Amino acid sequence: GQGVEQPAKLMSVEGTFARVNCTYSTSGFNGLSWYQQREGQAPVFLSYVVLDGLKDSGHFSTFLSRSNGYSYLLLTELQIKDSASYLCAVSNTGKLTFGDGTVLTVKP
Amino acid sequence: NAGVIQTPRHKVTGKGQEATLWCEPISGHSAVFWYRQTIVQGLEFLTYFRNQAPIDDSGMPKERFSAQMPNQSHSTLKIQSTQPQDSAVYLCASSLVGGGWGYEQYFGPGTRLTVL
Repeated sequence: GQGVEQPAKLMSVEGTFARVNCTYSTSGFNGLSWYQQREGQAPVFLSYVVLDGLKDSGHFSTFLSRSNGYSYLLLTELQIKDSASYLCAVSNTGKLTFGDGTVLTVKP
Repeated sequence: NAGVIQTPRHKVTGKGQEATLWCEPISGHSAVFWYRQTIVQGLEFLTYFRNQAPIDDSGMPKERFSAQMPNQSHSTLKIQSTQPQDSAVYLCASSLVGGGWGYEQYFGPGTRLTVL
C-alpha cells in the first residue's frame, strides 16, 4: 500500500520562507503532486515532480528524492495569504494518495 | 471554462436513505476521480474513470457505494442506505489523459453530505 506522511502544523513569518515536508512509502510511484487547500474550499493544484531534484516555480519550489521517499514544498517571500493547508499526494497510475496536509500559518 | 461542477452543494439525508451525487468534469478532460474528505480520515480516494471506463474502485466501500459515468459529461456517485459515518465532503476531480495525467487534477467545490 501507500503511506504519505506530513507534519500537521507549521508556522512561519511574513517575508521569510516555509518548507513543508512529505515522506512516503509506496508500492508504486509515478510522481508526486502538491495541492493547496483553504478552509472550506477544494484543493488547488500547485506543482508536481517526477524526477529527483529541485523544481523551481517561483513562489513555490518542489524537491524530490525518490530513493529516500521524500519531498518538500518550499514557499518563499511568504505572504499572509499563503496561510492554508498544503497537501502532498503520491500518484500511482493516475490514482492520488494524499497525506493529511500541513496547516501553514504565516504571521506578520 | 466553468471548472468542475458538482451538485448538490449540500445534501442532508436520514439514516437508511439513498443519496446521489453528480459531477460534471471540465470539458475535454477524460479522467474523472471521486474522493471524500473528513477531518478524521483526511482526503480519501474512492474511484476513478478514464474515457468513461471504470479503472480503479479500490477505495469504494463495496456494499453501498457505486459510481457510474454514462457519458463524458457527467459522473454519479450513489450511496445506498446511508449511514452517519458516510457524512463527509465528497469531491470530484477531473484531469487530462496523456503525459503527466493524474498529477494535475482539478477539483470541484464538493458536496457536503450530512446523514442524520
